Amino acid sequence: NAGVTQTPKFRILKIGQSMTLQCAQDMNHNYMYWYRQDPGMGLKLIYYSVGAGITDKGEVPNGYNVSRSTTEDFPLRLELAAPSQTSVYFCASSGYDRERAGNTIYFGEGSWLTVV
Amino acid sequence: AQTVTQSQPEMSVQEAETVTLSCTYDTSESNYYLFWYKQPPSRQMILVIRQEAYKQQNATENRFSVNFQKAAKSFSLKISDSQLGDTAMYFCALRIPQGGSEKLVFGKGTKLTVNP
Repeated sequence: NAGVTQTPKFRILKIGQSMTLQCAQDMNHNYMYWYRQDPGMGLKLIYYSVGAGITDKGEVPNGYNVSRSTTEDFPLRLELAAPSQTSVYFCASSGYDRERAGNTIYFGEGSWLTVV
Repeated sequence: AQTVTQSQPEMSVQEAETVTLSCTYDTSESNYYLFWYKQPPSRQMILVIRQEAYKQQNATENRFSVNFQKAAKSFSLKISDSQLGDTAMYFCALRIPQGGSEKLVFGKGTKLTVNP
């Protein structure tokens, strides 16, 4: 059971470049999320999805885009990277956990992005 | 609006002692879930403990236990026999199912340092 897999783990981008952070989960969860975490701060919601084909904005969506063509995958696209997007990005999924016999939120290991 | 408040930005404890991290929340829903996540310097988000609102019994996981006071909307985390590896940021989280969707709310975190 791989849980939530994020790639890449580290990336340096130049200002104005674009890239996609990949996120995949193998737990058949409907709910998926993208957060960013700036140094010393908490989590800020960028986008979320309640199922394949359905996405919605969180509190800080500007400069990002998402898609959800399958239940498993929820990529985050950064267009025209800016230094303000330097952060650690977390993908998460939420759903039933058989081992714990209840609902749980699972996080990927994070993607460290630096824009220079 | 649903909120999660962690009133202690930083705490410290001596190794082998017990420490309690506070979390209060606000929701008008009766069905919800509460979580504590640990984030060590590696920035990985690790589930520590979870609690369903309908369960009166406080959850425990080895040295970690919660004091869930539903009427007071309080969900504190007690760490017994603190270890150096417990040094981390701790986030309290609230998950509220809402029809075909859900709401996740995170606190701003408490930085815990365990001193030798």
